[in-house]
Amino acid sequence: DVKVTQSSRYLVKRTGEKVFLECVQDMDHENMFWYRQDPGLGLRLIYFSYDVKMKEKGDIPEGYSVSREKKERFSLILESASTNQTSMYLCASSKWGEQYFGPGTRLTVT
Amino acid sequence: GIQVEQSPPDLILQEGANSTLRCNFSDSVNNLQWFHQNPWGQLINLFYIPSGTKQNGRLSATTVATERYSLLYISSSQTTDSGVYFCAVYNNQGGKLIFGQGTELSVKP
Repeated sequence: DVKVTQSSRYLVKRTGEKVFLECVQDMDHENMFWYRQDPGLGLRLIYFSYDVKMKEKGDIPEGYSVSREKKERFSLILESASTNQTSMYLCASSKWGEQYFGPGTRLTVT
Repeated sequence: GIQVEQSPPDLILQEGANSTLRCNFSDSVNNLQWFHQNPWGQLINLFYIPSGTKQNGRLSATTVATERYSLLYISSSQTTDSGVYFCAVYNNQGGKLIFGQGTELSVKP
């Protein structure tokens, strides 16, 4: 079975802090994705990566950066957290098409 | 870009009832997935279905790509089926998933 894990289920951070969200997959998938989910706005793609050290902007990359130093790990970085980044963050991975999601991280920025 | 519309937006069922959820998409797609988001927020894969019909227990899905729609059938619903069901499509420009707004299902005992 594909397994995608995320470092935290719940996270509370202060405005201005640097925040790291980690995602790890154990199925040797090339592709990894970060989404955020907000009521009324649905799921929106932040960044994705097709290979190690590769990254592509999604639909809402502003205020975020990513890092992929190893194939199995994809990190989302909030350089200076703001209250409008309070959201549910979902990581996914895929090989040829079907995407598998992690359990999500509910981030609150106060 | 591709638009994905799901209907109905909300659905309330009595346990044991059957239901059909619909997903319409505005352009040709490479593939389509159905997900169930559980109360804890995790997206569970239900079907990866470019065309035809697949079945998994009480759930089945049919995609008619030429007519740009997919249907998810839930039979003999249970309270554990409650949650939000999402349809998502892959566009022809790569592996980006485009999600519908979801159908929120509530199954009452």
